[in-house]
Amino acid sequence: QKEVEQNSGPLSVPEGAIASLNCTYSDRGSQSFFWYRQYSGKSPELIMSIYSNGDKEDGRFTAQLNKASQYVSLLIRDSQPSDSATYLCAVNILIQGAQKLVFGQGTRLTINP
Amino acid sequence: NAGVTQTPKFQVLKTGQSMTLQCAQDMNHNSMYWYRQDPGMGLRLIYYSASEGTTDKGEVPNGYNVSRLNKREFSLRLESAAPSQTSVYFCASSEAVGGGIETQYFGPGTRLTVT
Repeated sequence: QKEVEQNSGPLSVPEGAIASLNCTYSDRGSQSFFWYRQYSGKSPELIMSIYSNGDKEDGRFTAQLNKASQYVSLLIRDSQPSDSATYLCAVNILIQGAQKLVFGQGTRLTINP
Repeated sequence: NAGVTQTPKFQVLKTGQSMTLQCAQDMNHNSMYWYRQDPGMGLRLIYYSASEGTTDKGEVPNGYNVSRLNKREFSLRLESAAPSQTSVYFCASSEAVGGGIETQYFGPGTRLTVT
């Protein structure tokens, strides 16, 4: 099992709809969870971080964390064409005695006008 | 405030050549990282430096060396480039000592092709 798993997509969503991105992780002790957005040819940029169970909202973005199920998701409401990008889930994992940030392979999201 | 900067932006090497990728940050962060990104593989950690004067191996360190020159600068060296090292390389930094659980900020990347 990979330490952090995402569906690679592509995920296609009509403009104005809700886009739902999912991520599972292997380490029950993980405490920090991040969602990064990466436009084609650019570097990752942080859009959300979450540390506690439940929902965290920031504008059109909502991160949801369920530590019991080892599951973190990102919802994008009122999707816009500018949301088309690859979304990377990142989780801190204890590896060989040190905390490391491990990235999923990313989900490619396309918003169709 | 430039954040994280990387040079060069693009590089083409022949097999066996060496080169150094440079990274600098002006956010006074303690920790710095080098990642490579390949299609379908996400970001994989090559080396990291939790604080000035320390470096540690990540997931894919073979074929690379690093130097934490000072708090601002962290370089990645390919001693003898191989085609398998064709990739996009990202440098990142974070405030925390001990790495991995704080927000990381990324540089613009270096696109390296080894022929």
